[in-house]
Amino acid sequence: QVQLQESGPGLVKPSETLSLTCTVSGGSISSYYWSWIRQPAGKGLEWIGRIYTSGSTNYNPSLKSRVTMSVDTSKNQFSLKLSSVTAADTAVYYCAREGLGQSLDYWGQGTLVTVSS
Amino acid sequence: DIQMTQSPSSLSASVGDRVTITCQASQDISNYLNWYQQKPGKAPKLLIYDASNLETGVPSRFSGSGSGTDFTFTISSLQPEDIATYYCQQYDNLPRTFGPGTKVDIK
Repeated sequence: QVQLQESGPGLVKPSETLSLTCTVSGGSISSYYWSWIRQPAGKGLEWIGRIYTSGSTNYNPSLKSRVTMSVDTSKNQFSLKLSSVTAADTAVYYCAREGLGQSLDYWGQGTLVTVSS
Repeated sequence: DIQMTQSPSSLSASVGDRVTITCQASQDISNYLNWYQQKPGKAPKLLIYDASNLETGVPSRFSGSGSGTDFTFTISSLQPEDIATYYCQQYDNLPRTFGPGTKVDIK
């Protein structure tokens, strides 16, 4: 059973960079797209972007100028960096696998990141 | 971006009722649509893929239909454990986009 676990600071100061890592267990990270999705409290889901195990990326144009994703296949991990954060970036951040059918079939439990000084 | 809309935004129904949620895409997405269930404090869970295919292990009371721009999600007999918010999501184009969600609770 594939499992995903997000990790990273729960509090980030405004203008700084949010950094999260997702560790994949129970299966190989290879040959899939791996995605980040966020959800502000009480609101809907926003797709941030995805990375393939080759390192190829697709980002949401609304965040593209601030987002960087990377993958470390040796550690079965992939990462998200979001720069110049503001309070509007406060949200629960989820990592997820995009399965062969392009559905988000496995999700992490989510991690709350608060942007505040 | 493809815009996804859902209706209603919330509904209240009795146990055993048939519940229907609609999702509309701003352009033709063929059948490239998923439905997710999200319970409070939990990650979304994939229920339906390719608009009408039930994910393994998902109860058969859940179903989906539609193609093009108009889609329907149905719970044939609402159970107490179905209390959740349901989201549609298109994967025809990037960026992936979600509907705003439909909150389902028990009357």
